[in-house]
Amino acid sequence: NAGVMQNPRHLVRRRGQEARLRCSPMKGHSHVYWYRQLPEEGLKFMVYLQKENIIDESGMPKERFSAEFPKEGPSILRIQQVVRGDSAAYFCASSPPPTDTQYFGPGTRLTVL
Amino acid sequence: AQSVTQLGSHVSVSEGALVLLRCNYSSSVPPYLFWYVQYPNQGLQLLLKYTSAATLVKGINGFEAEFKKSETSFHLTKPSAHMSDAAEYFCAVSDDSGGSNYKLTFGKGTLLTVNP
Repeated sequence: NAGVMQNPRHLVRRRGQEARLRCSPMKGHSHVYWYRQLPEEGLKFMVYLQKENIIDESGMPKERFSAEFPKEGPSILRIQQVVRGDSAAYFCASSPPPTDTQYFGPGTRLTVL
Repeated sequence: AQSVTQLGSHVSVSEGALVLLRCNYSSSVPPYLFWYVQYPNQGLQLLLKYTSAATLVKGINGFEAEFKKSETSFHLTKPSAHMSDAAEYFCAVSDDSGGSNYKLTFGKGTLLTVNP
């Protein structure tokens, strides 16, 4: 059973560009979570999604950030008009029921120049 | 708000020595507690979790952790370090209140170095 897949693993963007981060959950998992890890910090919860639904986006910045998990295809975390402060590692996790263990992907390291 | 404190951002031990990584949490309700390990360029892998059963939890690779409510601690130990244990270790807590037990709060991590 393949683990959680994230791509790209490394992403470089210039200020003002858009960043799209993809996450494919483990087979059979229908719950996806996104976390952000800023330098020298622990992972911080951003958003929890089920297929076609955002369940909890309390950790998402109010502007420029959005997430989706369509019926088909991977979950996407989208950051519009990136700024240097968006440089971080973005981790995706998945689980079967939400009370079960979350399995993490390898992360996408975003660098904004 | 919940918080997790990992004492020591960097711990160095000799091969064969005891590994002790410290974690303290703040939670208003009995929490679920986790230890994850991250090897270079890999995702976080679950080592062990506490979910209000036995207070001494055994995980993979010879690690274990003890939940001490009176000390609000969940320290991770391994009797004898191996070179392959070198990695970054994260302690995390989820709050079972309000139905948001999926929302993990992580510590800043402890980088473990094992010297030959």
